[in-house]
Amino acid sequence: KNEVEQSPQNLTAQEGEFITINCSYSVGISALHWLQQHPGGGIVSLFMLSSGKKKHGRLIATINIQEKHSSLHITASHPRDSAVYICAVADGNKLVFGAGTILRVKS
Amino acid sequence: NAGVTQTPKFRILKIGQSMTLQCTQDMNHNYMYWYRQDPGMGLKLIYYSVGAGITDKGEVPNGYNVSRSTTEDFPLRLELAAPSQTSVYFCASRSYAGTQPQHFGDGTRLSIL
Repeated sequence: KNEVEQSPQNLTAQEGEFITINCSYSVGISALHWLQQHPGGGIVSLFMLSSGKKKHGRLIATINIQEKHSSLHITASHPRDSAVYICAVADGNKLVFGAGTILRVKS
Repeated sequence: NAGVTQTPKFRILKIGQSMTLQCTQDMNHNYMYWYRQDPGMGLKLIYYSVGAGITDKGEVPNGYNVSRSTTEDFPLRLELAAPSQTSVYFCASRSYAGTQPQHFGDGTRLSIL
């Protein structure tokens, strides 16, 4: 079974800072997902990637298949980015989830 | 465009009561999933389905049952509620086509007292 580890567990940043959240997994995968969950809210998919890098607005996701590692970057962070960021890896028809990183961006 | 709809949003049950959490999707997705989310823990898969009439256990199926009689609906049943089932429950769906992201409902917050 794939083990998914995220770091850090908690992160507090000042508005405008560059943020990095890391995800590592133990077994080779076909795809990795980054998800966002706002307080009291639902879960939305940010990225799905199997190689290289993807960018959407101020968010950038990268994956290194050889090192079994992915990073989620947020440039010019804003208080509205405050949320839980969840990494998940594809395991056949299912996903295996990390515990999440709680991000708080202060103004 | 509703996506994945879960009802109810909140519920308090007494120990030993039964209830059904409803999940419906309007995207004609083959795959549907039920997860529970406990504080500080990652989402755990309870049951999933790859199509109408087909269901399979996930990581934490004990105390739950599911059925999938239609493509749209995937209800989760708690037969004898226990305090350990206090959690937030999420339903999700995805298309069969390739490796696609899952679409999540807004969740059901369930407390067993």
